[in-house]
Amino acid sequence: ETGVTQSPTHLIKTRGQQVTLRCSSQSGHNTVSWYQQALGQGPQFIFQYYREEENGRGNFPPRFSGLQFPNYSSELNVNALELDDSALYLCASSLGGITDTQYFGPGTRLTVL
Amino acid sequence: SQQGEEDPQALSIQEGENATMNCSYKTSINNLQWYRQNSGRGLVHLILIRSNEREKHSGRLRVTLDTSKKSSSLLITASRAADTASYFCATPNYGGSQGNLIFGKGTKLSVKP
Repeated sequence: ETGVTQSPTHLIKTRGQQVTLRCSSQSGHNTVSWYQQALGQGPQFIFQYYREEENGRGNFPPRFSGLQFPNYSSELNVNALELDDSALYLCASSLGGITDTQYFGPGTRLTVL
Repeated sequence: SQQGEEDPQALSIQEGENATMNCSYKTSINNLQWYRQNSGRGLVHLILIRSNEREKHSGRLRVTLDTSKKSSSLLITASRAADTASYFCATPNYGGSQGNLIFGKGTKLSVKP
């Protein structure tokens, strides 16, 4: 059984640029959720994809967008980067359902200068 | 919106001692989960307790849930230096997509050898 993987591990961008983060789900999982974790805070929900469709969104602006592919891997895209976007971005996969355990990847550390 | 709030924010103990962390939440839930995070990396699922359960054990971990007080506690017995991490409670977001979790800010546990 393969765990959740994310790439890249670290990324440095400048304000105004665009970034794409990638996530491979755990084998057999059809739901992917993305979270943003600022330093010293808990993870904040960005959005979730279920079978290639967005299935819910947190309080994030439209410049945060995503995709889920037929193999259930996923991308998080952020346009017009701002300094406050500097954070750890976590991807979690699950079988879906409100009682299901989510399995997290190691995260991508994004720094915006 | 913040659902779970952990207490204390930070805890420092000696190896061999027990560590207790508390979590309070605001709305009715059907389950609560605890996660561990080492040094700003991915979250590791520890335990899920359902609303009809009062106590659950997993190795050196004991979790309790009091739905009347909307609170949960995580006890780590005979702590080890390797238990040094941040611990988060997470509850389902019924207002959002199924499977979306709401995290507190976490308790930072330091176990000194």
